[in-house]
Amino acid sequence: QKEVEQDPGPLSVPEGAIVSLNCTYSNSAFQYFMWYRQYSRKGPELLMYTYSSGNKEDGRFTAQVDKSSKYISLFIRDSQPSDSATYLCATTGTASKLTFGTGTRLQVTL
Amino acid sequence: DAGVIQSPRHEVTEMGQEVTLRCKPISGHNSLFWYRQTMMRGLELLIYFNNNVPIDDSGMPEDRFSAKMPNASFSTLKIQPSEPRDSAVYFCASSPTGGSFNEKLFFGSGTQLSVL
Repeated sequence: QKEVEQDPGPLSVPEGAIVSLNCTYSNSAFQYFMWYRQYSRKGPELLMYTYSSGNKEDGRFTAQVDKSSKYISLFIRDSQPSDSATYLCATTGTASKLTFGTGTRLQVTL
Repeated sequence: DAGVIQSPRHEVTEMGQEVTLRCKPISGHNSLFWYRQTMMRGLELLIYFNNNVPIDDSGMPEDRFSAKMPNASFSTLKIQPSEPRDSAVYFCASSPTGGSFNEKLFFGSGTQLSVL
């Protein structure tokens, strides 16, 4: 079993829809949770960063962590075609070693 | 700032050949990471350096893989001999030191490696 599981998609939604992207993880020691966005033929870029449980909002993006169920979510409101990318969740404990999910490919259509 | 610079962008080689991938981290960043990305396994950490010293190489698949960081502005990942199963996108990333920001990685655009 992988330490971080993520549905690969693809997920296709119309412009303006609310998108929900999810990951599950298995290691209780993970405390830091991140979402990276990766455009085609580019490296991943950090989108959101949270520590422990709770919600964090940044514009149209909300990251949510539920440590009791080991569940990580990213919500995108009013999705735009420019949001079309692969979204990778990542997590780590106290060491400088991120564990990534395999990514979910999102397509926002006009 | 130019960001993390990787070269080459694409590499096509034949099985058994030596492959060298190069990376220039962001100036002032003290940590450097090499990742490999495939469809099946996603992003996997191969090795990371802190202040030019290898800290964790447990992700290096086997002895055919080696990485060096001779100074703060340059690192190489070498595969010798290469095999078709090494075909993947190899990313270099760097990060500044200190506390929680150590987890914020800045990635290069990657090297697409194809071993025939």
